[in-house]
Amino acid sequence: KQEVTQIPAALSVPEGENLVLNCSFTDSAIYNLQWFRQDPGKGLTSLLLIQSSQREQTSGRLNASLDKSSGRSTLYIAASQPGDSATYLCAVNSGNTPLVFGKGTRLSVIA
Amino acid sequence: GAVVSQHPSWVICKSGTSVKIECRSLDFQATTMFWYRQFPKQSLMLMATSNEGSKATYEQGVEKDKFLINHASLTLSTLTVTSAHPEDSSFYICSARDDRTGNTIYFGEGSWLTVV
Repeated sequence: KQEVTQIPAALSVPEGENLVLNCSFTDSAIYNLQWFRQDPGKGLTSLLLIQSSQREQTSGRLNASLDKSSGRSTLYIAASQPGDSATYLCAVNSGNTPLVFGKGTRLSVIA
Repeated sequence: GAVVSQHPSWVICKSGTSVKIECRSLDFQATTMFWYRQFPKQSLMLMATSNEGSKATYEQGVEKDKFLINHASLTLSTLTVTSAHPEDSSFYICSARDDRTGNTIYFGEGSWLTVV
C-alpha cells in the first residue's frame, strides 16, 4: 500500500529565504507526482505535476524534483514571500487508483 | 483548462438532516470520481471511489449507508451525508479523473459542512 510522508510538518521562515519541502513515498511504481497548495478553508491548487519519466518541473519560483527510484520528491521555493504561506501537499498517482496524499507541510513566511 | 465544480461551497445544517454535495466535471467526462474528507489540520482522506453507473467503492471505516454516493452521469457525482451529526462537520473535496487522458485528475474547490 502506497504511503506518502512529508517533512517537515511545519516550517516558518523569514521572507526572502529559499526553502525545500520534502516528500517521500514507499512504492516507486508511480505514474506521476503532484504538488498542491491549500490555503486555509480552501480547495486544492495544483502547483506542479511531474510525470514518472521526468526529473523536474519548474513554474516561476517553484521547482519540483522527482527521484522515483529512491521514492523522493522535493519542492523548492525560491525567494519566499508572505503570500506563499499555505499548506503544501504532495500526492502520488499510481495509475488507475486514487491519489495518495501526504499530511502536508504548513508553511509560514514572515514579513 | 479542465474544471471541476463543487456545490455548495459552504453549508450549515441541523443535526439529523441530510445534505447533498454535488461534484461536476464541466468540460470533460469522468467515469471515475473520488470523494475525500479533510478534518482541520489533517490531510485528505479518501472516503470512496465513485464509478458512473455502478456502486461506489468505500474505504474501510466509511459508512456507505451514511455517505450515499450517486454517479448517475459521466459529469456528475453526488455525496449525500444522511442524518448528519456534528462529528460529520468537515471539509469535503471531490476529484474527477479525465476520461480523455485516463490518469489526469482534477479537484473541486471543496465544500465546508457544519452540522449544528
